[in-house]
Amino acid sequence: DVKVTQSSRYLVKRTGEKVFLECVQDMDHENMFWYRQDPGLGLRLIYFSYDVKMKEKGDIPEGYSVSREKKERFSLILESASTNQTSMYLCASSYRDRRNSPLHFGNGTRLTVT
Amino acid sequence: GNSVTQMEGPVTLSEEAFLTINCTYTATGYPSLFWYVQYPGEGLQLLLKATKADDKGSNKGFEATYRKETTSFHLEKGSVQVSDSAVYFCALKPLGGGTSYGKLTFGQGTILTVHP
Repeated sequence: DVKVTQSSRYLVKRTGEKVFLECVQDMDHENMFWYRQDPGLGLRLIYFSYDVKMKEKGDIPEGYSVSREKKERFSLILESASTNQTSMYLCASSYRDRRNSPLHFGNGTRLTVT
Repeated sequence: GNSVTQMEGPVTLSEEAFLTINCTYTATGYPSLFWYVQYPGEGLQLLLKATKADDKGSNKGFEATYRKETTSFHLEKGSVQVSDSAVYFCALKPLGGGTSYGKLTFGQGTILTVHP
């Protein structure tokens, strides 16, 4: 079974802190994604990566950056956390070139910025 | 661009009631369509999928049919259980490569609560 593991379930950070959210997958997937989930807005794509060191902006990249140094690991970085980044963050992974390939999600990290 | 619209929730039903959650989409060509479910405190799990017109995806008593003529992928279940209480997301994956690279576009989610 595919396992996508996010390092923290809950995080509380202060405004202005640098925050790292880590995600690891064990299925050798090429694609990895970071989504943000907010009530009434569904899931919005922040960044995704289709290979090591490769990344593309999603729909809401402002205030975020990412790092993918190894195929199995994809990190989301909040350079200077703000209260409007309080949210649920979901990591996902998938194969790149298979039309039917679904996304496999981690359990999420609920981040609160105070 | 691509978009997915789901019926607004929350949806509240009694056990054994019939469920429909509407989903319509806008996309170029023939995307793949998915339903994901999110149980409390968990990430999203794939519930079912369909990759071409008239395909029917099914799993755990849930069904959805890919309707090209109405650009819809409505989720149905004949008899819901309390354990089906969750948030349901409709999603599409566009056809083709390039920068799509398997990105999914999600609807806003529909909260389902089933009472005994």
